[in-house]
Amino acid sequence: RKEVEQDPGPFNVPEGATVAFNCTYSNSASQSFFWYRQDCRKEPKLLMSVYSSGNEDGRFTAQLNRASQYISLLIRDSKLSDSATYLCVVNGNGANNLFFGTGTRLTVIP
Amino acid sequence: EPEVTQTPSHQVTQMGQEVILRCVPISNHLYFYWYRQILGQKVEFLVSFYNNEISEKSEIFDDQFSVERPDGSNFTLKIRSTKLEDSAMYFCASSGDRGALRQPQHFGDGTRLSIL
Repeated sequence: RKEVEQDPGPFNVPEGATVAFNCTYSNSASQSFFWYRQDCRKEPKLLMSVYSSGNEDGRFTAQLNRASQYISLLIRDSKLSDSATYLCVVNGNGANNLFFGTGTRLTVIP
Repeated sequence: EPEVTQTPSHQVTQMGQEVILRCVPISNHLYFYWYRQILGQKVEFLVSFYNNEISEKSEIFDDQFSVERPDGSNFTLKIRSTKLEDSAMYFCASSGDRGALRQPQHFGDGTRLSIL
């Protein structure tokens, strides 16, 4: 079973649309959750940490459901610059390694 | 904004040769990591390093791999005898005083390793 599973997409949405990505993780002991974005052939860049109570950063909202081992990311009012691959990331059994999902590809269309 | 820097950006090496990838983590960070990403695949954890020793490593990180912090700023990944399947993008990352738990890792822009 994969540690982190994501729908690979692609998601093609018009500018201004709202889009949601989901992710599930297998290790119930995981305690740290993040969304990163990765542009083509670039490094992963932190988008936001995900907290148990849910959190928002501008147009981005992240939710965590520990019981279902499920993480979500909502992007409102999509911009062209949001086009990227969004990586769901969870810490592993130890404290110091991260497991990455394969990513969900988003393309925002003018 | 402080950043993780990696050199070289691209390394081409003959199979069987040794290669050293270099990283300068963010200066006040205490935890250092190496990851790799084979083209078209997900990012995979290799190793974490804290207090001058390996704290965790994955199955990928076998005897051919080693890490070192030779001075107060550099963090290196050595592959002793490279194989074709070592071709990948290698990312260095660092995080603050609580490791990956609770604190996000910041990634360098990677070294693309091509084995011929």
